Order: sequence, then structure tokens, then C-alpha cells
Amino acid sequence: NAGVTQTPKFRVLKTGQSMTLLCAQDMNHEYMYWYRQDPGMGLRLIHYSVGEGTTAKGEVPDGYNVSRLKKQNFLLGLESAAPSQTSVYFCASSYSRSGGQEEQYFGPGTRLTVT
Amino acid sequence: GENVEQHPSTLSVQEGDSAVIKCTYSDSASNYFPWYKQELGKRPQLIIDIRSNVGEKKDQRIAVTLNKTAKHFSLHITETQPEDSAVYFCASRWTGRRALTFGSGTRLQVQP
Repeated sequence: NAGVTQTPKFRVLKTGQSMTLLCAQDMNHEYMYWYRQDPGMGLRLIHYSVGEGTTAKGEVPDGYNVSRLKKQNFLLGLESAAPSQTSVYFCASSYSRSGGQEEQYFGPGTRLTVT
Repeated sequence: GENVEQHPSTLSVQEGDSAVIKCTYSDSASNYFPWYKQELGKRPQLIIDIRSNVGEKKDQRIAVTLNKTAKHFSLHITETQPEDSAVYFCASRWTGRRALTFGSGTRLQVQP
């Protein structure tokens, strides 16, 4: 199994450009998440999905949109990139244990720079 | 929403010493507390977790303790080795929500 994969690994955008980050998982996990990681701020949740066709906002959703058209894929879109969106983006997925507690498996990350 | 505070932000120990990282959480309804390790340039990986019905859990040189009354939990690493050098993140999960709230991370450096 490949686990959680992300494309692309690196990207440089100019302010105002758009792009889509792709996350794929082959573990049949129900839940998927997008985080951003900035120095000294840990991992902050952007959006997440509890199943195919459903999405929800996290802590820092502004400027991002997501879609979960297929169970194995979770897309993160930036419609008009801003320098403040320069960050490392991690996708994660998880299954549901009894009691609603689950472990999250992370992808390798996408380093995005907006100039 | 949930808030997780993590201390210290950096920690330097000598090889063989113990390291302790502490986190506090704000929501008393939180019931799941994982710890992740992130090596430089790599993805975060789960190293240990604890549920709210347990006070302590051990896995070889790593242990986590939970004090629900005080709303804090700690990671203990004994007999530290250079390969333990990494950034460690604590997190908590509120009962009514699927996503985790992460602390800001602790950079642990083990000096050989």
C-alpha cells in the first residue's frame, strides 16, 4: 500500500494564481484532512471530510476550498493565492475506531511558496 | 473551540537522560490524546496515544500520562538517543469532532 500520497511535492505560485493540491489514500479511510504547517505554529486544520461528498471547515478555512468527490481523494484548492498562504500543506486520513477515536496517517507534504 | 498549549518549545538533553514534554487542553470533553514525531523534512508520525479512560500508557522508552482533572498530559522519553531528535507534537480530540487540535510543537535535541 502507498498509504497517503500528495501531489505536487513543491510548487511556486505568483500572487493571484490558482492551483489544486491532490491527496490520495488507498487505505479505505472514511476521514480525510488538510493541514497547514508554519514555523512555530504546529499543524492547523484547514478543512476536513467525514465521508465522500461531505466537507467541513477547520480552524483556518479562509482562502481555501475542498472537494471529496471520491472516497480515496481529497482536493484542496486555492482560487487566488496570497503570500500568507506560503506554507507546507499536509493531508491526512483516518479510520474510525469504536468510541469514535482514530489515528491519523499523514502524507509527505506539499511545500508551497507564493511570491 | 479546543485550545492546546505545549511546553517547552525547545528542549536539549544529553544522550541517556530523560525528556518530558507537557501539554494542556481546554475542553473537558476531549477524550483522545495522541503524540506525533516529525523528523526534519518528513511527515508527522504517531508514536503513542492515550484515551481518556486511561491514566498512563507505556511503549518501551516512551510513556504518556494523562491528568483529566487538571486537563494536562505529558510525554516521557527515557534513555534518550540521538535518533530521538525531532519535533514532537501533542494533540487532542473533542468527543463531538473528528479532527485533532495540535500543540505548537517541541523541538527535542539529544546531544551525543
